[in-house]
Amino acid sequence: DIQMTQSPSTLSAFVGDRVTITCRASQNINNWLAWYQQKPGKAPRLLIYEASTLQSGVPPRFSGGGSGTEFTLTISSLQPDDFATYFCQEYNTLRTFGQGTRVEI
Amino acid sequence: QVQLQESGPGLVEPSQTLSLSCTVSGGSLSDDDHYWGWLRQSPGKGLEWIGYIYFSGHSYSNPSLKSRVSLSVDTSNNQFSLKLNSVTAADTAVYFCARAPPYFRESSGSYYVGYFDLWGPGALVTVSS
Repeated sequence: DIQMTQSPSTLSAFVGDRVTITCRASQNINNWLAWYQQKPGKAPRLLIYEASTLQSGVPPRFSGGGSGTEFTLTISSLQPDDFATYFCQEYNTLRTFGQGTRVEI
Repeated sequence: QVQLQESGPGLVEPSQTLSLSCTVSGGSLSDDDHYWGWLRQSPGKGLEWIGYIYFSGHSYSNPSLKSRVSLSVDTSNNQFSLKLNSVTAADTAVYFCARAPPYFRESSGSYYVGYFDLWGPGALVTVSS
């Protein structure tokens, strides 16, 4: 089975900061990777699919990169609404999720 | 716009069957070119994909749960459903229904189902006696 490992587990940042979250796959998943944002008590929200394609309606300060086994999610200028937990998900095989990265003040 | 809403018992006894439905509103489950899926989230296992189904009834489930999962669709009521049998405390989780757009892989020349672009709010199901 593919393992998806996110780092860091928790990230402390300020409004306006540029933040980057990393997701590593235990084997090659090409570019079949999605990123989600989740706020407490809410469902995940799709941000990016196919590693770098921005979902409709998602602000352009979010961007995704990488391929193969290493991927990144970057928020260019952190906004108050962005404090949340972020998950990566591979869909090359069994749609495995990472454990999440909490972005906090 | 399309919205999803889970419904079903919030408490299930061990060894019994967990049953949830998802109602699609603002669009037709059968006219829309999407697959419809189930996922769950628990503190211990994180987010886990359970399975997905097409309006035709074609479905595919996570191999780790496949022997216990049954998916169905009711186009007349614009609903799709999940049954998970022989539940234990490990099945306690928030269950989400979600929509999955098919995507094309050039390498195989086929369409696949992978990510989920619209989710219901979630339903907490506790397995306990």
